Amino acid sequence: DAKTTQPPSMDCAEGRAANLPCNHSTISGNEYVYWYRQIHSQGPQYIIHGLKNNETNEMASLIITEDRKSSTLILPHATLRDTAVYYCIVGNSGGSNYKLTFGKGTLLTVNP
Amino acid sequence: DAGITQSPRHKVTETGTPVTLRCHQTENHRYMYWYRQDPGHGLRLIHYSYGVKDTDKGEVSDGYSVSRSKTEDFLLTLESATSSQTSVYFCAISEGQGLPNGYTFGSGTRLTVV
Repeated sequence: DAKTTQPPSMDCAEGRAANLPCNHSTISGNEYVYWYRQIHSQGPQYIIHGLKNNETNEMASLIITEDRKSSTLILPHATLRDTAVYYCIVGNSGGSNYKLTFGKGTLLTVNP
Repeated sequence: DAGITQSPRHKVTETGTPVTLRCHQTENHRYMYWYRQDPGHGLRLIHYSYGVKDTDKGEVSDGYSVSRSKTEDFLLTLESATSSQTSVYFCAISEGQGLPNGYTFGSGTRLTVV
């Protein structure tokens, strides 16, 4: 499975955009990039995923570089409730081997 | 979480006793997973299932077994609980890679082995 590298922690001011980077230089052609977040003691929550193109939903935007070796999750207007650990994950091939491996993620702290 | 429930939510058990955790889904998803989460280790995959009676090991499967006799239920069994298995256990479900909404996680089971 492709590995990901994320900074252990980041800070963001409330109301500003939060840009969380992720490196996945060994990603293969059929692997998706997924982002999840986990608010303290809760189960992780799906945010967004993409393959090649940039994606946007009601929670966030995902920007994937053209070579697919890195991506950025953007929370356009961070709120205090966005304080959480954010996980960037690369999904493997599917079929009987479809599983996601979580790293340690980035702790995003949104400050008032 | 909608469509997935874990039971029990909390459990305290003694070393050496067998323990079974249950994950139940109403989404008819093909894939089901058991993770454990410990401080400093993040989420680690224990076992997963890609269909009824089809299961495979994850990265920390020693001391655990699973069964999936029907689509909606995925059971995790600790054959003989040890203190090192004190953890928070999360179940997850998924339709499959690239499909909408990725994984959906349950609310977790906090297991304490004394």
